[in-house]
Amino acid sequence: DTAVSQTPKYLVTQMGNDKSIKCEQNLGHDTMYWYKQDSKKFLKIMFSYNNKELIINETVPNRFSPKSPDKAHLNLHINSLELGDSAVYFCASSPGGGTGGETQYFGPGTRLLVL
Amino acid sequence: AQKITQTQPGMFVQEKEAVTLDCTYDTSDQSYGLFWYKQPSSGEMIFLIYQGSYDEQNATEGRYSLNFQKARKSANLVISASQLGDSAMYFCAMREGPGGGYQKVTFGTGTKLQVIP
Repeated sequence: DTAVSQTPKYLVTQMGNDKSIKCEQNLGHDTMYWYKQDSKKFLKIMFSYNNKELIINETVPNRFSPKSPDKAHLNLHINSLELGDSAVYFCASSPGGGTGGETQYFGPGTRLLVL
Repeated sequence: AQKITQTQPGMFVQEKEAVTLDCTYDTSDQSYGLFWYKQPSSGEMIFLIYQGSYDEQNATEGRYSLNFQKARKSANLVISASQLGDSAMYFCAMREGPGGGYQKVTFGTGTKLQVIP
């Protein structure tokens, strides 16, 4: 029973290509996120969606476009891939709404390598 | 200024010993939350423990406990009776604000823990 799943797990592509990463959660959570983890393991939030609505949009190049067709899915589309986009991309979800733990549960990550 | 600071890039601990991983944070919010995550070499991010700013008791989860010192703005992770499987990167993170759908979580740079047999 995978809670937060991402596809693909590995993605190797050429510079200039367009690619998408999909994320699905079956936890019934309202909020979903995309994070980028660079080669030094630094983890930085990119986007957050709450009930399909964009909540957080960090200073991410507009080549990155998230899409949330429903609250269980948050996909990430990347246009014109660059070498610097090589990283591990994590999807996460949290219950959202109200106070409390708000723990974020992470997917397994997608390892993107741009050649 | 860094919101989350982990000053120990790497730590060693003998198996079965306890180890403390340091984390200090910086926020002006009254309501916030502190998390620890574990990232083994396989890459997944595993939630370990959470402490809310209004929680008076230190959080504990099995062998993990969070030593929360609000005045010092520190949230150290204590792992008791270390096991070889504890070898991993450990990230401290903070959620500022009251939570809900608007939370933004900032992560520290991580501490790589190696458990020696």
